[in-house]
Amino acid sequence: DAGVTQSPTHLIKTRGQQVTLRCSPKSGHDTVSWYQQALGQGPQFIFQYYEEEERQRGNFPDRFSGHQFPNYSSELNVNALLLGDSALYLCASSSGTGLNSPLHFGNGTRLTVT
Amino acid sequence: DAKTTQPPSMDCAEGRAANLPCNHSTISGNEYVYWYRQIHSQGPQYIIHGLKNNETNEMASLIITEDRKSSTLILPHATLRDTAVYYCIVLKRDAGKSTFGDGTTLTVKP
Repeated sequence: DAGVTQSPTHLIKTRGQQVTLRCSPKSGHDTVSWYQQALGQGPQFIFQYYEEEERQRGNFPDRFSGHQFPNYSSELNVNALLLGDSALYLCASSSGTGLNSPLHFGNGTRLTVT
Repeated sequence: DAKTTQPPSMDCAEGRAANLPCNHSTISGNEYVYWYRQIHSQGPQYIIHGLKNNETNEMASLIITEDRKSSTLILPHATLRDTAVYYCIVLKRDAGKSTFGDGTTLTVKP
């Protein structure tokens, strides 16, 4: 039973470029959330997708956008990259959006912006 | 969501119980307490969660005080592989919008 998978594992981009990160949720899960984790800090919530719609959003600018596909997989897009966007980007999946739904995380995509 | 307070670091001897505290004095009645851990270079791993009652699973036990203002995660027989950052989270609305603090770095020593 595959867990949450993310691709690519590592990525290097130049300031001003755009990037797309991909996530496949754990089998049986229909909700995907994205987090940004800067070095030495806890993960920060970006947004959550359920039924192909953005349901909740954290304190991130519109440069961060996403999409969920009918098979529940998801993409995170970041436009006009800044040096401060360098971080580990984590995808988490869950079953539904209720309170009693633990998150299952992938191992993340390490993005470096130069 | 309620704010949580955790000690920045703790040590534990291998084979002994590790007791990780978390303070959530502003918790409200409909908020769950969740624990995750993150081993270096990996994504966070779900450990356990609870609302009011104490909970136990194959990984750990969660003890929630009667007033729900604090909780303790117990790893009964810590191993070197339990060395990680442990996050205590309180959730009101949705498990997806989890607010992670800086957590407790647990170091299990031989």
